[in-house]
Amino acid sequence: DADVTQTPRNRITKTGKRIMLECSQTKGHDRMYWYRQDPGLGLRLIYYSFDVKDINKGEISDGYSVSRQAQAKFSLSLESAIPNQTALYFCATSGGRETDTQYFGPGTRLTVL
Amino acid sequence: GQNIDQPTEMTATEGAIVQINCTYQTSGFNGLFWYQQHAGEAPTFLSYNVLDGLEEKGRFSSFLSRSKGYSYLLLKELQMKDSASYLCAALDSNYQLIWGAGTKLIIKP
Repeated sequence: DADVTQTPRNRITKTGKRIMLECSQTKGHDRMYWYRQDPGLGLRLIYYSFDVKDINKGEISDGYSVSRQAQAKFSLSLESAIPNQTALYFCATSGGRETDTQYFGPGTRLTVL
Repeated sequence: GQNIDQPTEMTATEGAIVQINCTYQTSGFNGLFWYQQHAGEAPTFLSYNVLDGLEEKGRFSSFLSRSKGYSYLLLKELQMKDSASYLCAALDSNYQLIWGAGTKLIIKP
């Protein structure tokens, strides 16, 4: 079974709709992250959480919100989706140790019409 | 500002060797990562360097020079399955990863 899972894997929605993307992990990691990836651009950090009570904005948090329901679960919401939020979204986790290597979920491809 | 530079695209021949370069400018430095990403898939961890020098791991090696703000990923005995994007990322003083846009590697038979 995959260590980091994301649901849904693909989603098509309309402008103005509320969307939630979910991430779960079985790696026992405290740190979780949400990124978006657009063609030709690097991964951009939306939000990150170092533990259940610690949530921080990343580089591009406008238009997004998150919820850390438990150590293993981190959800990303788009309150009112817009077309330029069409992208590939990745959740990642890390153990916060020396190297702090991040491990990624399979991604959610979101299209906003 | 913080910045990672790497070539957009490279082409190499099956069985050959290719070197992908990365230069970085970050606020502090706590290590350099390389990830592999096949099209439409998740990035997967390849290597981490924090000290100067070469780290070898099978067909892949990664080099770091902290004084030059420079790293490279060396891929030997290229296989068709190595066709992918290779992402360079530097860990800054706040332990945030700064990502490059990735280098798309095309392998030709």
